[in-house]
Amino acid sequence: QQQVKQSPQSLIVQKGGISIINCAYENTAFDYFPWYQQFPGKGPALLIAIRPDVSEKKEGRFTISFNKSAKQFSLHIMDSQPGDSATYFCAARPQGAQKLVFGQGTRLTINP
Amino acid sequence: GAGVSQSPSNKVTEKGKDVELRCDPISGHTALYWYRQSLGQGLEFLIYFQGNSAPDKSGLPSDRFSAERTGGSVSTLTIQRTQQEDSAVYLCASSPDGGRANYGYTFGSGTRLTVV
Repeated sequence: QQQVKQSPQSLIVQKGGISIINCAYENTAFDYFPWYQQFPGKGPALLIAIRPDVSEKKEGRFTISFNKSAKQFSLHIMDSQPGDSATYFCAARPQGAQKLVFGQGTRLTINP
Repeated sequence: GAGVSQSPSNKVTEKGKDVELRCDPISGHTALYWYRQSLGQGLEFLIYFQGNSAPDKSGLPSDRFSAERTGGSVSTLTIQRTQQEDSAVYLCASSPDGGRANYGYTFGSGTRLTVV
């Protein structure tokens, strides 16, 4: 069964700090790795995504690091702000499929 | 519309009743997805529609669940004989291309289903 494991389940970071969320997968046949951000009462929104032929992608304060050999990828949020407080989901798309396999989510709280 | 619209936003139903959840995708988006989000869990794929192709129903948890998409636009997810374990937020998403382009999904705000 294709799985994506996400950690930690919850995370508290001080304002201005770096938030790091990790994901690991167990199937090599994934070809796209997006991260989604979800605020209470809203659907998830695409934050940033990476393909496995790239080791890092940065968009503003958000960076994805991808380690293909370790089958791991992580989201780094630099200079974390209270407005970043949300639940974050990593996901992976199996090759040849259109669905996404999601991690369990990380509830991030940024203390002012 | 500007986004993916789902209705109702909340639904409380009695165990054993049937429910219908509606999704109105972004105009022009050919791909439509249903996911289920249980409390404290990630999103679980249910079904995928792409244009006029046969849907991918591989994620539907039982034959009590079905979905249709009419005219390549609005979709309805139907749960028959609801059970308490069906309680969850049901999310619909659409994307402009269900093909190999890496377009992200646009999710609706979901329907929170509570079976009592």
